[in-house]
Amino acid sequence: AQSVAQPEDQVNVAEGNPLTVKCTYSVSGNPYLFWYVQYPNRGLQFLLKYITGDNLVKGSYGFEAEFNKSQTSFHLKKPSALVSDSALYFCAVDFSGNTPLVFGKGTRLSVIA
Amino acid sequence: EAQVTQNPRYLITVTGKKLTVTCSQNMNHEYMSWYRQDPGLGLRQIYYSMNVEVTDKGDVPEGYKVSRKEKRNFPLILESPSPNQTSLYFCASRTGQGYTGELFFGEGSRLTVL
Repeated sequence: AQSVAQPEDQVNVAEGNPLTVKCTYSVSGNPYLFWYVQYPNRGLQFLLKYITGDNLVKGSYGFEAEFNKSQTSFHLKKPSALVSDSALYFCAVDFSGNTPLVFGKGTRLSVIA
Repeated sequence: EAQVTQNPRYLITVTGKKLTVTCSQNMNHEYMSWYRQDPGLGLRQIYYSMNVEVTDKGDVPEGYKVSRKEKRNFPLILESPSPNQTSLYFCASRTGQGYTGELFFGEGSRLTVL
């Protein structure tokens, strides 16, 4: 069955350290991949997407993500975390272009000063 | 300013009392969708609409109705709310051309059913 997984409910990182939020998917074919962020009491905001082309995608607020087809992963990364990056992060996958977006369960990122 | 507007933002109601959560977007988007967010479950899609007069069920449609009479509006109707519909609801929209466009979300509507 087609699915998307965020294996970590919570990620803690010290300010200034690199951060990684993991996402893996299970699907055949070429999915479209997205990352969204949700700050407290707000709706989700788009961060970045992978459709085709370069496996390293750069997005908003200094975030980037790497598409790895062999590992079916799309991990979100940032070289140097900020306290203001603390939020809930969602990976989302469009499996076929004809079905609605499927979201992971979210990963809460806490950046500690 | 491009935005998706939901109302009400907060609502406490009682079991069985019909309610409507409105959603409006000003970006001329074809696609609109409703999600509910629950702790530990992430976002689950309730209904979506590819265009005016076209709606379809998502993953958790039971107990909900929608309509899409105009392009900009996509109300969510709870005919007879129950406590298990207590949740945080989000409306979202995007362009319908292809499937590469990002979703724009409203600020959310927190519903409590007593």
